[in-house]
Amino acid sequence: EVQLVETGGGLVQPGGSLGLSCAVSGFSVSSNYMSWVRQAPGKGLEWVAVIYSGGSTYYADSVKGRFTISRDNSKNTLYLQINRLRAEDTAMYYCARVVVGANHYFDYWGQGTLVTVSS
Amino acid sequence: EIVLTQSPGTLSLSPGERATLSCRASQSVSSSYLAWYQQKPGQAPRLLIYGASSRATGIPDRFSGSGSGTDFSLTISRLEPEDFAVYYCQQYGSWWTFGQGTKVEIK
Repeated sequence: EVQLVETGGGLVQPGGSLGLSCAVSGFSVSSNYMSWVRQAPGKGLEWVAVIYSGGSTYYADSVKGRFTISRDNSKNTLYLQINRLRAEDTAMYYCARVVVGANHYFDYWGQGTLVTVSS
Repeated sequence: EIVLTQSPGTLSLSPGERATLSCRASQSVSSSYLAWYQQKPGQAPRLLIYGASSRATGIPDRFSGSGSGTDFSLTISRLEPEDFAVYYCQQYGSWWTFGQGTKVEIK
């Protein structure tokens, strides 16, 4: 059975940092494209970052330079390091597997972890 | 960046009725790269349709997708109680973008 379980969310002050984790079972993170997608309260979905199976990483312009996506193949876990947090980063953060090739979509999602940026 | 505009914002229908949701792109999108998701309150999005018209595993055949170029649609042929939710379209161009969502609510 495929499972993605995010942890690490919480309340953090503006300018602070937070590290999110996504523990995956049922497939290998190293063999797949993996992404983070976020959703501000009451709002729509926003793609944040992707790590390719080869290790290349890419970011949405809104988070470039502040967020870092990475993975630990031995732990089959995806990470998102978030620095210099802003109020507008407040959101539920989902990890998701990206199906690529003939199509590009997100097939498996975690349940999300909530990040709240407030003083 | 390709912008996806979904309409209507809210669709008020009764169980058993047909729902048609629209997703319009600011520039042409490959049909292969258009997907639809369903999201219920407190839950993660669930993949419904990929490649504009292919149903994901386990998705009932009352859900269908169509369209090409800049105009795509999701149709739910007969609404079941569990179908009342928010629906998002998503495209892949250089990166992934989502529409703002259509809420299907019980009339």
